Amino acid sequence: NAGVTQTPKFQVLKTGQSMTLQCAQDMNHEYMSWYRQDPGMGLRLIHYSVGAGITDQGEVPNGYNVSRSTTEDFPLRLLSAAPSQTSVYFCASSSASPSTDTQYFGPGTRLTVL
Amino acid sequence: GDSVTQMEGPVTLSEEAFLTINCTYTATGYPSLFWYVQYPGEGLQLLLKATKADDKGSNKGFEATYRKETTSFHLEKGSVQVSDSAVYFCALTQGGSEKLVFGKGTKLTVNP
Repeated sequence: NAGVTQTPKFQVLKTGQSMTLQCAQDMNHEYMSWYRQDPGMGLRLIHYSVGAGITDQGEVPNGYNVSRSTTEDFPLRLLSAAPSQTSVYFCASSSASPSTDTQYFGPGTRLTVL
Repeated sequence: GDSVTQMEGPVTLSEEAFLTINCTYTATGYPSLFWYVQYPGEGLQLLLKATKADDKGSNKGFEATYRKETTSFHLEKGSVQVSDSAVYFCALTQGGSEKLVFGKGTKLTVNP
């Protein structure tokens, strides 16, 4: 079991560029989420999915897009990167709602936008 | 909305010292409470949790008790080790919610 994997580990973008952060899990989990971690602010929810074909917005969704075509994958797209999106991004998955089941986190992607 | 407040860090201790990291919360209803740990260069891992008042979560020598009367979930360990050096996050979630609400994190460094 690889658990939750994320690629790339590090990325540097210029303002206005687009990119996709990849997230995959091999635990057959229905729930997947994307969080961003900023210094002194803890983790904040960007988008989440309760199953293939179903996504919804979290606390800070602006500037990000998601889709969930398979159970395993949950990519996060930055449409036009901005310096405010410099952060560490974590993907998480769980078999049920976070209120009832443990969330498993990936190792993170550190993104810098210049 | 729901929120979690943790003690400001960083916290620096010597090996075998007693650890307390304070966590208080604001929430409607009866949330579930969690402590997550993030070791250097890694993602978050669940350390312990409690789902109702007076429950005590425990794992790896760490403990926390869900205190509804004081809306607190303080993390404690009787004797810390160098390997406990990490960032600790307190979090909550409401029944049926799809998200965790995290505190800002407390960095712990344990020196030999």
